[in-house]
Amino acid sequence: QKEVEQDPGPLSVPEGAIVSLNCTYSNSAFQYFMWYRQYSRKGPELLMYTYSSGNKEDGRFTAQVDKSSKYISLFIRDSQPSDSATYLCAPLMNSGYSTLTFGKGTMLLVSP
Amino acid sequence: KAGVTQTPRYLIKTRGQQVTLSCSPISGHRSVSWYQQTPGQGLQFLFEYFSETQRNKGNFPGRFSGRQFSNSRSEMNVSTLELGDSALYLCASSLGRAPYEQYFGPGTRLTVT
Repeated sequence: QKEVEQDPGPLSVPEGAIVSLNCTYSNSAFQYFMWYRQYSRKGPELLMYTYSSGNKEDGRFTAQVDKSSKYISLFIRDSQPSDSATYLCAPLMNSGYSTLTFGKGTMLLVSP
Repeated sequence: KAGVTQTPRYLIKTRGQQVTLSCSPISGHRSVSWYQQTPGQGLQFLFEYFSETQRNKGNFPGRFSGRQFSNSRSEMNVSTLELGDSALYLCASSLGRAPYEQYFGPGTRLTVT
């Protein structure tokens, strides 16, 4: 079993839709949960992160972590064509190392 | 503030050759991590350097090595290149402490023929 699992998609939605992107993980030692966005032929861009369980909101984006079920979610409200990209979840441990464990990413396509 | 820069952006090498990639972190960041991205395996951690010391290493063969200089700039080297080393190599910089926010460069696309 991979440490971090993500549905690769593609997930196709119309502009304005609410998008839900999800990851599951197996390592209970993960404490920080990062979300990255990667456009084609670019490096990943840090969107937001949460620490432990709970929600965090940043503009149109909300990150949610449920450590009891080892489930991570990213919600995008009022999705825009410019949100079309691959979204990667990347948890890490609070171990003194900056080591991200990435899911394979979910490709999101938002059509106008 | 300038972002993470990587050079070169594109590279074509022949099997058996070696290659050196360079990464300049965000000013003030002391940690540099390297990742390999391929369509099949996704993003995989290679190693992390902090204050010129390697403090964590991923599951890659010894042909992959790196170093960090006193100004936090980092290089990674791959010797005896194989076709399977064709990938996007990404470096990420951070302060090296919680919450370990890491910022990626644009990557170096290496093609081995």
